[in-house]
Amino acid sequence: NAGVTQTPKFQVLKTGQSMTLQCAQDMNHEYMSWYRQDPGMGLRLIHYSVGAGITDQGEVPNGYNVSRSTTEDFPLRLLSAAPSQTSVYFCASSSEYRGASEQYFGPGTRLTVT
Amino acid sequence: SQKIEQNSEALNIQEGKTATLTCNYTNYSPAYLQWYRQDPGRGPVFLLLIRENEKEKRKERLKVTFDTTLKQSLFHITASQPADSATYLCALEGGSQGNLIFGKGTKLSVKP
Repeated sequence: NAGVTQTPKFQVLKTGQSMTLQCAQDMNHEYMSWYRQDPGMGLRLIHYSVGAGITDQGEVPNGYNVSRSTTEDFPLRLLSAAPSQTSVYFCASSSEYRGASEQYFGPGTRLTVT
Repeated sequence: SQKIEQNSEALNIQEGKTATLTCNYTNYSPAYLQWYRQDPGRGPVFLLLIRENEKEKRKERLKVTFDTTLKQSLFHITASQPADSATYLCALEGGSQGNLIFGKGTKLSVKP
């Protein structure tokens, strides 16, 4: 049982480049989400999904796209990277929506945009 | 405006003492409140969840209280150890879609 996995662990992009951050979970959780963590800002929700085929925006969605074609996978796409997207990105999953159950976090992807 | 605040950015205590971390919130009415631990370079790890109708929850050396009148949660680590040194995050159900909102965290350092 690997839990929540994320790839890559580190990534450096140039401004304007695009890339996809991968996230997968093997716990059959319906609810998955993407956060970014910046110094002094805490964790902020980017996008989330309550099940395959259903996604919605969180607090800071601009510049990011998501899709959920399977229960297991929830990739995050940066369309045209900007220095403001330099951050640590965490994917999380849980068995219930809202705050009713614990969230399992992946190890994170540290992204630098130059 | 809605806010979730953790009392201090850093807390230093001596080994063996009880660490008390505070999470205050305004303009939320969460049904649940959670606490997580985060070590450097790693993702947060869930510790405890407490519901609005529960006053207190315990797990080994950890204790969480939830006062919906004061809009405050206290997180206690008794008999603290250097291995408890980490950043602790509180999170509550409060986003516009009912999602979790996280505090900025308190960095706890336990000195031997």
